[in-house]
Amino acid sequence: KAGVTQTPRYLIKTRGQQVTLSCSPISGHRSVSWYQQTPGQGLQFLFEYFSETQRNKGNFPGRFSGRQFSNSRSEMNVSTLELGDSALYLCASSTPEEETQYFGPGTRLLVL
Amino acid sequence: GENVEQHPSTLSVQEGDSAVIKCTYSDSASNYFPWYKQELGKGPQLIIDIRSNVGEKKDQRIAVTLNKTAKHFSLHITETQPEDSAVYFCAATAGGSYIPTFGRGTSLIVHP
Repeated sequence: KAGVTQTPRYLIKTRGQQVTLSCSPISGHRSVSWYQQTPGQGLQFLFEYFSETQRNKGNFPGRFSGRQFSNSRSEMNVSTLELGDSALYLCASSTPEEETQYFGPGTRLLVL
Repeated sequence: GENVEQHPSTLSVQEGDSAVIKCTYSDSASNYFPWYKQELGKGPQLIIDIRSNVGEKKDQRIAVTLNKTAKHFSLHITETQPEDSAVYFCAATAGGSYIPTFGRGTSLIVHP
């Protein structure tokens, strides 16, 4: 079974721009969660989608948003990019029957 | 909310030695405790997990112990090898939450 895939793997943007990241979960997984990973803050939870609905939300500003499609694929968007948004963005998927989250390789975003 | 403390932040051992990483959690409702290994340029990968109805779990050279009363759990790696070098994260998930809270990570370095 294929793992979680994320595209693109690397991205360079400038301040003020917006960016969209994509995540394809493991087949059959309906929950998709997004995390921001930085050296200073570790792994921080952004939001979780289940069956196209946002079920949980972390403590991030409204510039960070996401959505989930009927095939469980998910996208996250960051508007008005700031230098501090430079990070590794990780997507994880899971099934309703188990709490284990399976991570993708991440998208490394650099904001200049 | 849940708070997970992880120690040490860096652990350096010689090949063949044992390594122990410790975590404490604050929410007594947490009942699922996964451990992840993150290699350079990759997303976190689940290596072992334990549920609150179990005190210890082993998988070859890796073991995890849980003390619910003290709210702490530990990862034990025996006969360490250079390929064990990575960042290890502990996490705690409260029942029904689906969202784990992660520790800050431990960078394990195994010297040949």
